[in-house]
Amino acid sequence: EAGVAQSPRYKIIEKRQSVAFWCNPISGHATLYWYQQILGQGPKLLIQFQNNGVVDDSQLPKDRFSAERLKGVDSTLKIQPAKLEDSAVYLCASSLGGFGYGYTFGSGTRLTVV
Amino acid sequence: AQTVTQSQPEMSVQEAETVTLSCTYDTSESDYYLFWYKQPPSRQMILVIRQEAYKQQNATENRFSVNFQKAAKSFSLKISDSQLGDAAMYFCAYGGNAGNMLTFGGGTRLMVKP
Repeated sequence: EAGVAQSPRYKIIEKRQSVAFWCNPISGHATLYWYQQILGQGPKLLIQFQNNGVVDDSQLPKDRFSAERLKGVDSTLKIQPAKLEDSAVYLCASSLGGFGYGYTFGSGTRLTVV
Repeated sequence: AQTVTQSQPEMSVQEAETVTLSCTYDTSESDYYLFWYKQPPSRQMILVIRQEAYKQQNATENRFSVNFQKAAKSFSLKISDSQLGDAAMYFCAYGGNAGNMLTFGGGTRLMVKP
């Protein structure tokens, strides 16, 4: 089966610019997650969707980050305006439901803010 | 909130030898999952092994096994017959009842010497 697809693979922007990341989960996976992984650290959850509804966005910096999941399939994560500390890998993951059901990560987007 | 701690930033092992990576966690939940993920330079998080807390038997996947000590809140990963392809970052992760999000430790970089 196809995995979780993410694009772009790399992105370099200047601070105060905006950027968007795209994620296409595994077909049929109702739950989609965005994680932020700062260099040298483990991933940290930013937002979780169940179908097209938000389950948890408590760690999302809502003054600059936004995310949506249209029609319960693809998702877009946006940063506007970007700060230097937003430099990180942004990982998307999807699952059928709980932890026993195919929790799968994409290869991530590496963002560098200069 | 749950926390996951990996006290070994780096580990080194000789090819064909055995190495153990340590992980401790803190939680007040009684039912949860624990995971070890491998992250090669490609950035994709690859599931190595999963343990369900209610199961007393330690999980095993080929050369990978865990030592799960629930009372001590310890979850170590043993890699037997280490191979060059095992070299990567390894992350311990906790999955509880809060919406299926994963909480990751800071990671251990494993180097395999030929």
